[in-house]
Amino acid sequence: AQTVTQSQPEMSVQEAETVTLSCTYDTSESNYYLFWYKQPPSRQMILVIRQEAYKQQNATENRFSVNFQKAAKSFSLKISDSQLGDTAMYFCAFLTGTASKLTFGTGTRLQVTL
Amino acid sequence: DAGITQSPRHKVTETGTPVTLRCHQTENHRYMYWYRQDPGHGLRLIHYSYGVKDTDKGEVSDGYSVSRSKTEDFLLTLESATSSQTSVYFCAISESSGGLAKNIQYFGAGTRLSVL
Repeated sequence: AQTVTQSQPEMSVQEAETVTLSCTYDTSESNYYLFWYKQPPSRQMILVIRQEAYKQQNATENRFSVNFQKAAKSFSLKISDSQLGDTAMYFCAFLTGTASKLTFGTGTRLQVTL
Repeated sequence: DAGITQSPRHKVTETGTPVTLRCHQTENHRYMYWYRQDPGHGLRLIHYSYGVKDTDKGEVSDGYSVSRSKTEDFLLTLESATSSQTSVYFCAISESSGGLAKNIQYFGAGTRLSVL
């Protein structure tokens, strides 16, 4: 079975600074996908960034980028130039299998402060 | 935004009563999923569907049943609600299992269920 571990329950960062959220996973699969979802206080789940396991190049979406280390089974999220609107719970998620089932980590609550 | 509507958005019910949550999509996506979200657990898969009348169990399926009689609707039923089923329930959809873009899951706004 796949597992996803987010070891940082809470983090805080000042506005305009950079923060990195950690995620590790465990799987025996060779082909899979990794995602970061954001959940603001509105409760809506919003896709932030995605990565295909067979692509070595790290994904980037504007201020969000990942550091994907396949051998180490690590998938960290870096948020640059943090903004107050980035305050949210962030979930790392792993997807594999023919039914495309997601396995989520327990989340990291990020607070962006002035 | 993906066209996903969950109803109701909030519900309070009593232990032992049946409860049905509805997920409606306008995207004609093949796959639909029900998750529950609890503090310290992230989101956990309850059941999923890979087509009309085709469903399967997820990680935490005990006490839940589902039905999908039309592509656009996926129902989650708690036959006899218990306090342990107090949670936030999310529906998600995805197009198919082919390629990254089609594997992306899009989520509804969630239903907060309280079982007293």
